[in-house]
Amino acid sequence: KAGVTQTPRYLIKTRGQQVTLSCSPISGHRSVSWYQQTPGQGLQFLFEYFSETQRNKGNFPGRFSGRQFSNSRSEMNVSTLELGDSALYLCASSRTGAPAGELFFGEGSRLTVL
Amino acid sequence: DQQVKQNSPSLSVQEGRISILNCDYTNSMFDYFLWYKKYPAEGPTFLISISSIKDKNEDGRFTVFLNKSAKHLSLHIVPSQPGDSAVYFCAASVGGSQGNLIFGKGTKLSVKP
Repeated sequence: KAGVTQTPRYLIKTRGQQVTLSCSPISGHRSVSWYQQTPGQGLQFLFEYFSETQRNKGNFPGRFSGRQFSNSRSEMNVSTLELGDSALYLCASSRTGAPAGELFFGEGSRLTVL
Repeated sequence: DQQVKQNSPSLSVQEGRISILNCDYTNSMFDYFLWYKKYPAEGPTFLISISSIKDKNEDGRFTVFLNKSAKHLSLHIVPSQPGDSAVYFCAASVGGSQGNLIFGKGTKLSVKP
């Protein structure tokens, strides 16, 4: 069974640009969550989607947005990039009915903003 | 302010001995607690969880203890193996949320042969 797939794995952008990251969950998983990992702040929750609807949102500015498609694949977008957006962005999926918090993470997309 | 704290950034243990990783939390509304393990260049992997109505959960070499009055949980690994060397994250959820977890900043465990 394929795991959570994130693309691209690495990317470099400059300040002011925008970026779109993609996540394909494990087959059959309908819930997708996104996290930002930085050395100073650790793992921070961005948002969660279920059946194309945003179910929860973390404390991030409106420059961070996401969406989920009917096949459960998800994308997140960051507009007007800032240096502080440099981070590892992790996507995680979970199966319906799983115990709370049991997530399967992808390997992440490492974004560097210059 | 951090709602989930792992005060030890690193821990070194001899192979075969017990590893004890600690985590403190401030939000009494948390109802599930989890431990994740992360190897370099990989995403975190779920390890073990515990509901707030329990005080202990065991899975093989891994046991998680929850002390609600102290708002403290710990992960015990017995016996520790070199392959357990990784960063361990404590996490908590509120309201049975599936994907919205509050993570600690992690403890790097090194198990020496």
